[in-house]
Amino acid sequence: EDQVTQSPEALRLQEGESSSLNCSYTVSGLRGLFWYRQDPGKGPEFLFTLYSAGEEKEKERLKATLTKKESFLHITAPKPEDSATYLCAVQASGTYKYIFGTGTRLKVLA
Amino acid sequence: DAGVTQSPTHLIKTRGQQVTLRCSPKSGHDTVSWYQQALGQGPQFIFQYYEEEERQRGNFPDRFSGHQFPNYSSELNVNALLLGDSALYLCASSWAGPSGGLQETQYFGPGTRLLVL
Repeated sequence: EDQVTQSPEALRLQEGESSSLNCSYTVSGLRGLFWYRQDPGKGPEFLFTLYSAGEEKEKERLKATLTKKESFLHITAPKPEDSATYLCAVQASGTYKYIFGTGTRLKVLA
Repeated sequence: DAGVTQSPTHLIKTRGQQVTLRCSPKSGHDTVSWYQQALGQGPQFIFQYYEEEERQRGNFPDRFSGHQFPNYSSELNVNALLLGDSALYLCASSWAGPSGGLQETQYFGPGTRLLVL
């Protein structure tokens, strides 16, 4: 069964303290892996799409990487405004739906 | 460029009632997907509409139905509401593109918060 697991569930960082969020997946043929940021009570905001192992994408303080079994979202020198829930989703071969993990709740303290 | 829009933003219903949620896709997009997100959980796929047809459905009962209009906007209908239907309902749009939708990024709207009492 296709599955996505994110860790840790919650993470507290001091401002400037870099860290990584993990997304491990089991899927029958990966079409794409997607990272989103979600603020409380709002819809997910698109961050990155990764299609193949070895691919990397960067945007400001965020960098996403992909291997055959997992993806990492690296946050460099985070700021309080980076506080949010980060969601990972996968799209399996031959399907249109996204399968989401339960997210990592990130809190960055000033 | 307007993103995905949804209405209403909040809704309160009682058990047994019916509800209709609406979604307008991002400009240039032709595909609409609906997700249900319970508190503290990731979004769960309900179904996807393309060319006014439902082309994939998740593990949701027939009480959940939808429609896509010629202008690509969409509605989600839920009949015989249960307490457990209380959630944030998210609409996502994408462009089918050359892959036919099998590798296209979905962009989400702000959601409709449904509370069933």
